[in-house]
Amino acid sequence: EAGVVQSPRYKIIEKKQPVAFWCNPISGHNTLYWYLQNLGQGPELLIRYENEEAVDDSQLPKDRFSAERLKGVDSTLKIQPAELGDSAVYLCASSWGQGGDQPQHFGDGTRLSIL
Amino acid sequence: AQSVTQLGSHVSVSEGALVLLRCNYSSSVPPYLFWYVQYPNQGLQLLLKYTSAATLVKGINGFEAEFKKSETSFHLTKPSAHMSDAAEYFCAAMKNQGGKLIFGQGTELSVKP
Repeated sequence: EAGVVQSPRYKIIEKKQPVAFWCNPISGHNTLYWYLQNLGQGPELLIRYENEEAVDDSQLPKDRFSAERLKGVDSTLKIQPAELGDSAVYLCASSWGQGGDQPQHFGDGTRLSIL
Repeated sequence: AQSVTQLGSHVSVSEGALVLLRCNYSSSVPPYLFWYVQYPNQGLQLLLKYTSAATLVKGINGFEAEFKKSETSFHLTKPSAHMSDAAEYFCAAMKNQGGKLIFGQGTELSVKP
Protein backbone atom coordinates (compact mmCIF):
# COMPACT_ATOMS: atom_id res chain seq x y z
CA GLU A 1 0.00 0.00 0.00
CA ALA A 2 1.10 3.54 -0.62
CA GLY A 3 2.33 5.41 2.43
CA VAL A 4 1.58 8.90 3.66
CA VAL A 5 2.59 11.39 0.98
CA GLN A 6 3.67 14.91 1.80
CA SER A 7 4.64 17.79 -0.46
CA PRO A 8 6.75 19.70 -0.91
CA ARG A 9 9.71 17.93 0.68
CA TYR A 10 11.60 21.16 1.11
CA LYS A 11 10.50 24.78 1.20
CA ILE A 12 12.56 27.92 1.61
CA ILE A 13 10.79 31.23 2.08
CA GLU A 14 11.46 34.64 3.50
CA LYS A 15 9.94 35.62 6.83
CA LYS A 16 6.47 37.11 6.73
CA GLN A 17 5.60 35.14 3.60
CA PRO A 18 2.81 32.55 3.59
CA VAL A 19 3.48 28.85 3.11
CA ALA A 20 1.35 25.75 2.76
CA PHE A 21 2.01 22.05 3.16
CA TRP A 22 -0.05 19.21 1.75
CA CYS A 23 -0.64 15.70 3.04
CA ASN A 24 -2.31 12.67 1.49
CA PRO A 25 -2.90 9.96 4.11
CA ILE A 26 -2.96 6.22 3.62
CA SER A 27 -6.16 5.19 1.91
CA GLY A 28 -8.89 4.39 4.41
CA HIS A 29 -7.21 6.06 7.38
CA ASN A 30 -9.76 8.32 9.00
CA THR A 31 -7.41 9.92 11.53
CA LEU A 32 -4.82 12.44 10.40
CA TYR A 33 -2.17 14.24 12.42
CA TRP A 34 0.17 17.16 11.85
CA TYR A 35 3.33 17.22 13.96
CA LEU A 36 6.08 19.80 14.31
CA GLN A 37 9.63 18.52 14.73
CA ASN A 38 12.30 21.00 15.74
CA LEU A 39 15.94 20.12 15.17
CA GLY A 40 17.17 17.56 17.65
CA GLN A 41 13.78 17.02 19.25
CA GLY A 42 10.88 14.64 19.06
CA PRO A 43 7.72 15.53 17.13
CA GLU A 44 5.01 17.52 18.87
CA LEU A 45 1.36 17.30 17.89
CA LEU A 46 -0.14 20.39 16.26
CA ILE A 47 -3.55 19.12 15.28
CA ARG A 48 -5.50 15.86 14.97
CA TYR A 49 -8.43 15.19 12.68
CA GLU A 50 -11.10 12.53 12.88
CA ASN A 51 -12.42 12.50 9.32
CA GLU A 52 -12.96 16.19 8.54
CA GLU A 53 -13.32 17.32 12.17
CA ALA A 54 -10.40 18.80 14.10
CA VAL A 55 -10.72 17.04 17.47
CA ASP A 56 -7.50 18.31 19.06
CA ASP A 57 -6.00 21.62 17.96
CA SER A 58 -4.93 22.81 21.39
CA GLN A 59 -1.26 23.05 20.37
CA LEU A 60 -1.87 24.85 17.07
CA PRO A 61 -0.82 28.55 17.19
CA LYS A 62 -4.02 29.83 15.74
CA ASP A 63 -2.84 33.38 15.21
CA ARG A 64 -0.70 32.27 12.30
CA PHE A 65 -1.35 28.57 11.68
CA SER A 66 -4.42 27.08 10.07
CA ALA A 67 -5.32 23.65 8.79
CA GLU A 68 -8.11 22.01 6.92
CA ARG A 69 -9.13 18.55 5.86
CA LEU A 70 -11.87 18.89 3.32
CA LYS A 71 -13.82 15.71 2.54
CA GLY A 72 -11.91 13.90 5.28
CA VAL A 73 -9.00 12.82 3.09
CA ASP A 74 -6.20 15.20 2.09
CA SER A 75 -5.12 17.95 4.44
CA THR A 76 -3.28 21.23 4.18
CA LEU A 77 -1.41 23.12 6.86
CA LYS A 78 -0.79 26.82 6.35
CA ILE A 79 1.38 29.39 8.05
CA GLN A 80 0.74 33.08 7.47
CA PRO A 81 2.89 34.98 8.09
CA ALA A 82 5.92 32.74 8.64
CA GLU A 83 8.42 33.67 11.34
CA LEU A 84 12.06 32.66 11.74
CA GLY A 85 11.15 30.32 14.57
CA ASP A 86 8.91 28.30 12.29
CA SER A 87 11.92 26.68 10.64
CA ALA A 88 11.39 23.00 11.33
CA VAL A 89 10.16 19.75 9.83
CA TYR A 90 6.40 19.38 9.54
CA LEU A 91 5.29 15.76 9.67
CA CYS A 92 1.95 14.33 8.68
CA ALA A 93 0.75 10.98 9.99
CA SER A 94 -2.39 8.90 9.62
CA SER A 95 -4.00 5.95 11.34
CA TRP A 96 -7.11 3.80 11.27
CA GLY A 97 -8.77 5.14 14.38
CA GLN A 98 -7.13 6.92 17.29
CA GLY A 99 -6.50 4.08 19.72
CA GLY A 100 -3.12 2.92 20.93
CA ASP A 101 -3.49 -0.34 19.06
CA GLN A 102 -3.69 1.58 15.78
CA PRO A 103 -0.16 2.77 14.97
CA GLN A 104 0.43 6.10 13.32
CA HIS A 105 2.15 6.01 9.94
CA PHE A 106 4.32 8.99 9.10
CA GLY A 107 5.17 10.74 5.87
CA ASP A 108 8.70 11.93 5.07
CA GLY A 109 7.87 15.46 6.17
CA THR A 110 8.32 18.95 4.77
CA ARG A 111 11.48 20.73 5.83
CA LEU A 112 10.77 24.45 6.11
CA SER A 113 13.55 27.02 6.19
CA ILE A 114 12.78 30.67 6.88
CA LEU A 115 15.28 33.25 5.69
CA ALA B 1 1.24 15.61 32.54
CA GLN B 2 2.55 12.58 30.82
CA SER B 3 6.17 12.72 29.69
CA VAL B 4 8.73 10.47 28.07
CA THR B 5 12.42 10.60 28.91
CA GLN B 6 15.14 9.04 26.81
CA LEU B 7 18.43 8.71 28.63
CA GLY B 8 21.33 9.63 26.41
CA SER B 9 20.94 11.82 23.36
CA HIS B 10 23.68 9.88 21.62
CA VAL B 11 24.73 6.24 21.88
CA SER B 12 27.66 4.71 20.03
CA VAL B 13 28.27 0.97 19.68
CA SER B 14 30.50 -1.24 17.61
CA GLU B 15 29.07 -3.40 14.88
CA GLY B 16 27.97 -6.70 16.41
CA ALA B 17 27.65 -5.27 19.91
CA LEU B 18 24.49 -5.06 22.02
CA VAL B 19 22.27 -2.06 21.46
CA LEU B 20 20.47 -0.64 24.50
CA LEU B 21 18.41 2.53 24.22
CA ARG B 22 16.69 3.68 27.39
CA CYS B 23 13.20 5.08 27.77
CA ASN B 24 11.20 5.97 30.87
CA TYR B 25 7.67 7.26 30.99
CA SER B 26 5.82 9.11 33.70
CA SER B 27 2.25 8.08 34.11
CA SER B 28 0.12 6.65 36.89
CA VAL B 29 -1.60 4.49 34.31
CA PRO B 30 0.60 2.39 32.03
CA PRO B 31 0.18 3.91 28.61
CA TYR B 32 0.56 2.49 25.17
CA LEU B 33 4.28 2.67 24.32
CA PHE B 34 6.07 2.82 21.01
CA TRP B 35 9.52 2.92 19.52
CA TYR B 36 10.04 4.67 16.19
CA VAL B 37 13.16 4.97 14.04
CA GLN B 38 13.97 7.95 11.84
CA TYR B 39 16.59 7.83 9.12
CA PRO B 40 18.01 11.11 7.80
CA ASN B 41 15.50 13.18 5.84
CA GLN B 42 12.78 10.60 6.31
CA GLY B 43 9.68 10.24 8.44
CA LEU B 44 9.27 8.00 11.45
CA GLN B 45 8.93 4.25 11.01
CA LEU B 46 7.31 2.12 13.69
CA LEU B 47 9.67 -0.46 15.20
CA LEU B 48 7.35 -1.94 17.82
CA LYS B 49 4.52 -1.16 20.21
CA TYR B 50 3.38 -2.22 23.65
CA THR B 51 -0.36 -2.52 24.14
CA SER B 52 -0.49 -4.59 27.35
CA ALA B 53 -0.71 -7.95 25.62
CA ALA B 54 2.84 -9.00 26.55
CA THR B 55 5.65 -7.31 28.44
CA LEU B 56 8.32 -8.40 25.97
CA VAL B 57 7.59 -6.99 22.56
CA LYS B 58 9.36 -8.03 19.39
CA GLY B 59 9.61 -5.62 16.50
CA ILE B 60 11.12 -5.32 13.08
CA ASN B 61 14.83 -5.53 12.21
CA GLY B 62 15.63 -7.68 15.25
CA PHE B 63 14.67 -5.08 17.86
CA GLU B 64 12.72 -5.84 20.99
CA ALA B 65 11.63 -3.93 24.06
CA GLU B 66 10.57 -4.92 27.55
CA PHE B 67 7.87 -3.14 29.49
CA LYS B 68 8.67 -2.92 33.21
CA LYS B 69 5.88 -1.32 35.19
CA SER B 70 7.84 -1.23 38.45
CA GLU B 71 10.56 0.80 36.74
CA THR B 72 8.23 2.72 34.38
CA SER B 73 10.63 1.77 31.64
CA PHE B 74 10.43 0.54 28.06
CA HIS B 75 14.03 0.05 26.95
CA LEU B 76 14.86 -0.96 23.37
CA THR B 77 17.45 -3.64 22.68
CA LYS B 78 19.04 -5.50 19.82
CA PRO B 79 21.56 -8.28 20.43
CA SER B 80 23.89 -7.41 17.57
CA ALA B 81 24.16 -3.99 15.97
CA HIS B 82 24.40 -3.58 12.22
CA MET B 83 25.70 -0.59 10.34
CA SER B 84 22.23 -0.04 8.89
CA ASP B 85 20.87 0.52 12.43
CA ALA B 86 22.50 3.94 12.60
CA ALA B 87 19.59 6.38 12.92
CA GLU B 88 17.58 8.46 15.39
CA TYR B 89 15.31 6.49 17.70
CA PHE B 90 12.26 7.90 19.43
CA CYS B 91 10.27 6.47 22.30
CA ALA B 92 6.65 7.60 22.50
CA ALA B 93 3.65 7.13 24.77
CA MET B 94 -0.07 7.41 24.30
CA LYS B 95 -2.41 7.51 27.26
CA ASN B 96 -5.58 5.52 26.90
CA GLN B 97 -7.29 6.06 23.57
CA GLY B 98 -6.47 9.71 23.21
CA GLY B 99 -4.56 9.42 19.95
CA LYS B 100 -1.91 11.94 21.02
CA LEU B 101 1.63 10.61 20.98
CA ILE B 102 4.09 12.13 23.44
CA PHE B 103 7.62 11.71 22.16
CA GLY B 104 10.93 11.64 23.94
CA GLN B 105 13.81 13.80 22.78
CA GLY B 106 15.31 11.03 20.72
CA THR B 107 18.55 9.05 20.85
CA GLU B 108 20.98 9.08 17.96
CA LEU B 109 22.55 5.67 17.47
CA SER B 110 25.94 5.46 15.81
CA VAL B 111 27.44 2.10 14.78
CA LYS B 112 31.20 1.85 14.37
CA PRO B 113 32.72 -0.73 12.02
